[in-house]
Amino acid sequence: DTQMTQSPSSLSASVGDRVTLTCQASQDISHYVNWYQQKPGKGPKLLIHGASNLAAGVPSRFSGSGSGTDFTFTISSLEPEDIATYYCQQYADFPPLTFGGGTKVDLK
Amino acid sequence: QVLLVESGGGVVQPGRSLRLSCAPSGFTFKNHGMHWLRQAPGKGLEWVAHISYDGTKEYLADSVRGRFTISRDNFQNTLFLQMDSLRLEDTAVYFCAKDRFSSSWWGGDYIYGMDVWGQGTTVIVSS
Repeated sequence: DTQMTQSPSSLSASVGDRVTLTCQASQDISHYVNWYQQKPGKGPKLLIHGASNLAAGVPSRFSGSGSGTDFTFTISSLEPEDIATYYCQQYADFPPLTFGGGTKVDLK
Repeated sequence: QVLLVESGGGVVQPGRSLRLSCAPSGFTFKNHGMHWLRQAPGKGLEWVAHISYDGTKEYLADSVRGRFTISRDNFQNTLFLQMDSLRLEDTAVYFCAKDRFSSSWWGGDYIYGMDVWGQGTTVIVSS
């Protein structure tokens, strides 16, 4: 199974800050990575698919990059509504689908 | 608006069974593979099961294989998860989710990951 190592596990940032999360795969997964946002009590929301493609209706301050084993997710300017937990997920090596451990983003 | 609504969760004793349902709307259900995932209290996301758009292929996580069964009814537009021999460690919020791939793009069952998730239904296994 492909393991996804996500870092940091949590971070605090101010409104307007640039926020960067990383995800490392245990093997080459090309660009087959999705990024999700989850708020408390809700199901996750797809933000980025195929490592760098913005999902429909998602604000352009969210972006993703990377290929192979190293991936990055960025919020260019943090908004209060972005407070959530973010997960990376690989779909190159199935079954199973595997997720990173999550990054909890809160306000400083 | 694409929507998924799970139901059937509850409190159950170890060793007993529970059947979850998922009602989709706003998209052509028969064109999409579907997934069940879960999230234990305070933990991350875990993929549980996938069924192909036509119901001919099923995949289960090692942690539930032999105990859980995924199925679908494309006429009634419903997804199911039959959970037998439940264990304490199956306690979680269970989500159904739609795969982004559509069989209307080209033939076959491809896994692109989940693009729409439900709100979840809570399963508590406790004696």
